[in-house]
Order: sequence, then C-alpha cells, then structure tokens
Amino acid sequence: EVQLVESGGGLVQPGGSLRLSCAASGFTFSNNWMSWVRQAPGKGLEWVANINQDGSAKYYVGSVNGRFTISRDNAENSLYLQMNSLRAEDTAVYYCARAGWYSVDYWGQGTLVTVSS
Amino acid sequence: DVVMTQSPLSLPVTLGQPASISCRSSQSLVTSDGNTFLNWFHQRPGQSPRRLIYEVSKRHSGVPDRFSGSGSGTDFTLKISRVEAEDVGVYYCMQSTHWPWTFGQGTKVEIK
Repeated sequence: EVQLVESGGGLVQPGGSLRLSCAASGFTFSNNWMSWVRQAPGKGLEWVANINQDGSAKYYVGSVNGRFTISRDNAENSLYLQMNSLRAEDTAVYYCARAGWYSVDYWGQGTLVTVSS
Repeated sequence: DVVMTQSPLSLPVTLGQPASISCRSSQSLVTSDGNTFLNWFHQRPGQSPRRLIYEVSKRHSGVPDRFSGSGSGTDFTLKISRVEAEDVGVYYCMQSTHWPWTFGQGTKVEIK
C-alpha cells in the first residue's frame, strides 16, 4: 500500500523559512516522479512542484519559483520542500503526492503551513 | 499558463440520478505524440484528494465504474451514472500536459 506522510508544517512569520518532509513507503520511491500540491484554507488545489526520479529535473509553479526548492533522498525514501521568503499567500495545506505517468496518483494527508505575524 | 474552467461550480444532485461536470482548457491538451493528460480528482470533506480518472478516460484502480471520463482537445466531461451518498465533495480536473500543471476551480457536489 502506497503511504505518504508529510511533516514539518507549522506557524512561521512572513519572510521566514520552513522545510517540509514526506516519508514514502509501499512502493519503489526511486522509480517515481514526486510532487507537492497545496490548498489554501477553503480554496482549490494548486500544483507547486515536481521532481524526477534522480532529482536532476525540477519544475515549479511561477509563484514559488526562486523561493521554494524541491529535493529528494532516495536512500531515505524521502521528499522535501524547502520554503524561503514565505508570504501570507503561501498559507495552505501542503500535500506530498506520487507523480505517476503525467499524473498524480496517490496523495498524503497533508501538513498545514501558516504564514502570519 | 493553461487555464482550466469547470462548470457548474455547484451541483445539487439526487441520489440514484446521473451527474455531469464539464472542464475546459484554454489550450489543447494533446501532446505532439497524441496523448492527452487530463485528470479528475475527488476530495471528500476533511480528506485528501484521490484520483478518479487519468488520461481523459482511464479509471484509477478501485474506482467504481459509475465514474467515467470523456472528451478531447479542450473539452472534457466527468460523468457519474448514478450518484451515491459517498460521492459528495469537490471534484477537480487537472491538466498535466503543459508546465505548470493546473487545476480547475472545483465543482462542489451535494445531495439535494
């Protein structure tokens, strides 16, 4: 069974930084693209970033480009999202997801990030 | 960026009756090799999204066959043949042909 467990969310001040983690199990992590998707409170879904199997290719939505960095550790079956220069509009539940063939097929339970002073 | 537009945004349905959601993209989702990467997701209240449909019409493992997807180019549809109580929630389309991947606004399905 595919399991994705996010951690690292919390309250951070505007301009601050936070690192999200996602522990993956139940599948061969190193064989899969991975994604981060977020959902602001009461709002819809927004794709944030993708990373390929060995970390050599990364894609970001424009609003986070240059501030967020997606990375992975295949030896630890872990996905990360380093978030810098955080803004109030980054407040959201952040979901880790497995990116199958041009899709997102399994999602974690999400971790809440709140950017507020 | 590709804009995904869903309609309706709210859909009251009667148990046992069919339901249909439309999703339109601002540009074609067909790739140069003929694939179309259009997905549908369902999010129940308080839960994570789950995938229903990928590549326009392929059902995710374990998804009931009352769910079906169709369409081509820029116009796509999700149909529920007979709505059940567990189908309430928000449905999202998402295109994964072009970077950045983009979602529709969501359609909230509720029981009348």
